[in-house]
Amino acid sequence: DSGVTQTPKHLITATGQRVTLRCSPRSGDLSVYWYQQSLDQGLQFLIQYYNGEERAKGNILERFSAQQFPDLHSELNLSSLELGDSALYFCASSRYWNTEAFFGQGTRLTVV
Amino acid sequence: AQSVAQPEDQVNVAEGNPLTVKCTYSVSGNPYLFWYVQYPNRGLQFLLKYITGDNLVKGSYGFEAEFNKSQTSFHLKKPSALVSDSALYFCAVLLAYGGSQGNLIFGKGTKLSVKP
Repeated sequence: DSGVTQTPKHLITATGQRVTLRCSPRSGDLSVYWYQQSLDQGLQFLIQYYNGEERAKGNILERFSAQQFPDLHSELNLSSLELGDSALYFCASSRYWNTEAFFGQGTRLTVV
Repeated sequence: AQSVAQPEDQVNVAEGNPLTVKCTYSVSGNPYLFWYVQYPNRGLQFLLKYITGDNLVKGSYGFEAEFNKSQTSFHLKKPSALVSDSALYFCAVLLAYGGSQGNLIFGKGTKLSVKP
């Protein structure tokens, strides 16, 4: 168990809908990262938060947004969903920027 | 641009034989390198890292990795493979500078298959 909790584990939704993925980082970790894993794109960095503030953005679509709350949990919001958004979404957390990140088990999103 | 390459999509090894999973990198400045493993339907698990110091890094489950600066490589090794080592292995480089500091750039992954 990495200590990073993601909910839900599975999500099936229709095109055009909006979903929210939730992540609770390991205790004491201030940085939270979101990654997308798909067969064609591999593991892609989406966005990073540090202590409540957005730190960096990767290949995140405008239809996607995220935030980190005062209790350090984070949510990734995906809207106007398309079939191509079907993927495994991982949250990770780390203590400092140069220490290993610990990953949650992911949320498998299926858009039908 | 910083990048990681894993030249083999799949590595097949017999149980008990040594294994090597290859990784090369391209970074600006000193590299921060990591190996992660992903079992089916699971998240990524941290195996080991190189930040500085000895070129041979020891990690979890008997794995080790050799950092070679001249060849810009960070190959993962294990002296004796187990069937339970069968999984997807990812090499990653940590961005150390600029606005994306702290983010991991992953290779495409190498599927390791260990046969009894």
